[in-house]
Amino acid sequence: SQTIHQWPATLVQPVGSPLSLECTVEGTSNPNLYWYRQAAGRGLQLLFYSVGIGQISSEVPQNLSASRPQDRQFILSSKKLLLSDSGFYLCARRRAGVDNEQFFGPGTRLTVL
Amino acid sequence: QKEVEQDPGPLSVPEGAIVSLNCTYSNSAFQYFMWYRQYSRKGPELLMYTYSSGNKEDGRFTAQVDKSSKYISLFIRDSQPSDSATYLCAMSAFSGANSKLTFGKGITLSVRP
Repeated sequence: SQTIHQWPATLVQPVGSPLSLECTVEGTSNPNLYWYRQAAGRGLQLLFYSVGIGQISSEVPQNLSASRPQDRQFILSSKKLLLSDSGFYLCARRRAGVDNEQFFGPGTRLTVL
Repeated sequence: QKEVEQDPGPLSVPEGAIVSLNCTYSNSAFQYFMWYRQYSRKGPELLMYTYSSGNKEDGRFTAQVDKSSKYISLFIRDSQPSDSATYLCAMSAFSGANSKLTFGKGITLSVRP
């Protein structure tokens, strides 16, 4: 089976601190990977997507960045967190070779204080 | 007008009721349609996936797409307390490596025992 892991599950960080969220995928090779943020009342917002190692597309200008150092690893980072970065961060993968179905990981809940 | 509109709810129904959840959209290029279920503090789970217009049934769930009206629906028959969750519609215009999903904001459903 194809599984998505996200780490950590919960994080509380002060404003101005750095951030690193990790997503790893098992059971598939060369997946398309996505980072979403879900904030209350705002739905799912696509932040970044990647079609392969080192290939990152940014959807929304912000103080976040993403990297894909390995085929099954996708990292979301920030140098200095803002209060508005609080939210539920979800990593997703597109099922290899089949249409547009995306499957989500368990998420990381980030609170910036 | 937002690309995808979904009634914000919340929606509360008694156990056994038929539930109808709906989304409208403005982009006539959308042709792939999905419904996700998201339990509290969890990642979204893909429920239904349809291509173009028509109906698709899976157990107690039926997804319906009317492209001429730019309207999609999810019907839940014999609703159960375990169906209590947030339901998100999602859609895309293209398939393939660079496909992206546009989500509704979600509606929270509560099924009362």
